[in-house]
Amino acid sequence: KNEVEQSPQNLTAQEGEFITINCSYSVGISALHWLQQHPGGGIVSLFMLSSGKKKHGRLIATINIQEKHSSLHITASHPRDSAVYICAVEAGNQFYFGTGTSLTVIP
Amino acid sequence: DADVTQTPRNRITKTGKRIMLECSQTKGHDRMYWYRQDPGLGLRLIYYSFDVKDINKGEISDGYSVSRQAQAKFSLSLESAIPNQTALYFCATSKNNQPQHFGDGTRLSIL
Repeated sequence: KNEVEQSPQNLTAQEGEFITINCSYSVGISALHWLQQHPGGGIVSLFMLSSGKKKHGRLIATINIQEKHSSLHITASHPRDSAVYICAVEAGNQFYFGTGTSLTVIP
Repeated sequence: DADVTQTPRNRITKTGKRIMLECSQTKGHDRMYWYRQDPGLGLRLIYYSFDVKDINKGEISDGYSVSRQAQAKFSLSLESAIPNQTALYFCATSKNNQPQHFGDGTRLSIL
């Protein structure tokens, strides 16, 4: 049973395209996180949100608590955005992670 | 220097050996976590600690133990390693209601 489902699993885009990655979850949560993992393996937190919308540079994250769904948008995508994007939820003191979306942005 | 440091970065060992993975942080965070990452499965929580005297099991704690020696240090032990514990292990830290900060990971291979 996967508490967190992400789509798509893999995504290839041309530089400059608008990208959307989706995350659905099945448990009650206190917060949702979007993480970025580069090919070297390091993981960086992009967003932590519990309602509404957050924006940081070209990245936008939204969450709909009633629908148990979140989206990560990348505007004007660039090859350096190529990475695995991971959705994670906090449910009580537990964390559950999606399997990630592998994004490749082609110049 | 990294805020969250994991040692070793890579380790190859044999079945049955005792292994310890170390994590130290300079961020002053009270919360620390150990995860493993397997291809196709995503990250899974092994153990977490909200304070020096607080240790909690995560989703997949069997076969692992932890020690919170100080606020800045959280060690993960495999008492008798087995091949299906081969994975990429991450330590993370956070303050309450704040995003987590991850170490660079430890790649562990058990032969």
